[in-house]
Amino acid sequence: DAGVTQSPTHLIKTRGQQVTLRCSPKSGHDTVSWYQQALGQGPQFIFQYYEEEERQRGNFPDRFSGHQFPNYSSELNVNALLLGDSALYLCASSGPLTSGTTDTQYFGPGTRLTVL
Amino acid sequence: AQSVTQLGSHVSVSEGALVLLRCNYSSSVPPYLFWYVQYPNQGLQLLLKYTSAATLVKGINGFEAEFKKSETSFHLTKPSAHMSDAAEYFCAVSVGAGTASKLTFGTGTRLQVTL
Repeated sequence: DAGVTQSPTHLIKTRGQQVTLRCSPKSGHDTVSWYQQALGQGPQFIFQYYEEEERQRGNFPDRFSGHQFPNYSSELNVNALLLGDSALYLCASSGPLTSGTTDTQYFGPGTRLTVL
Repeated sequence: AQSVTQLGSHVSVSEGALVLLRCNYSSSVPPYLFWYVQYPNQGLQLLLKYTSAATLVKGINGFEAEFKKSETSFHLTKPSAHMSDAAEYFCAVSVGAGTASKLTFGTGTRLQVTL
């Protein structure tokens, strides 16, 4: 059973550039959430996608946007990168109501973004 | 809004000693509570969860946690620490199941296990 996968593993960008991170949810899951984890901090909720729509959003600027595809995979886009965007970006997936696992989010290994 | 406080950013125990990692939550509605573990340069792995069933929850790797509503706590314990338990531990809260269940995390506790 494949878990949550993310790509790329590491990424280095310069200020002002744009970046796209990708996530494939655990098999059978239909909801994807994105989190930002700065060094030495706990993960912070960015947004959540379900049925290809953003369902809930955390306290992040509009530079952060996302998309969910019909196969439930998701992308996180960040425009006009700032030094402060350097962090580990984590994707988490959760299951549909019929599976009884909607209450648990399973995390991928993350993408380490460094902005120079 | 819900929140989580983890007391102690660093905890050091000897191998074989009791592990106790503290977590207190704040929520206006009955919470769901989680403990996740993060090894260096990895994502988060679910240790255990409380979702309004039994108040004593058993997880993987010998960990367990007890939900105490009166104390708004969900402390993580393990009777005997192993060197492989050294990692960062995060307590998290959500306010319900379903597609709107975002997680709010604490700042984490780094567990060090010494010989």
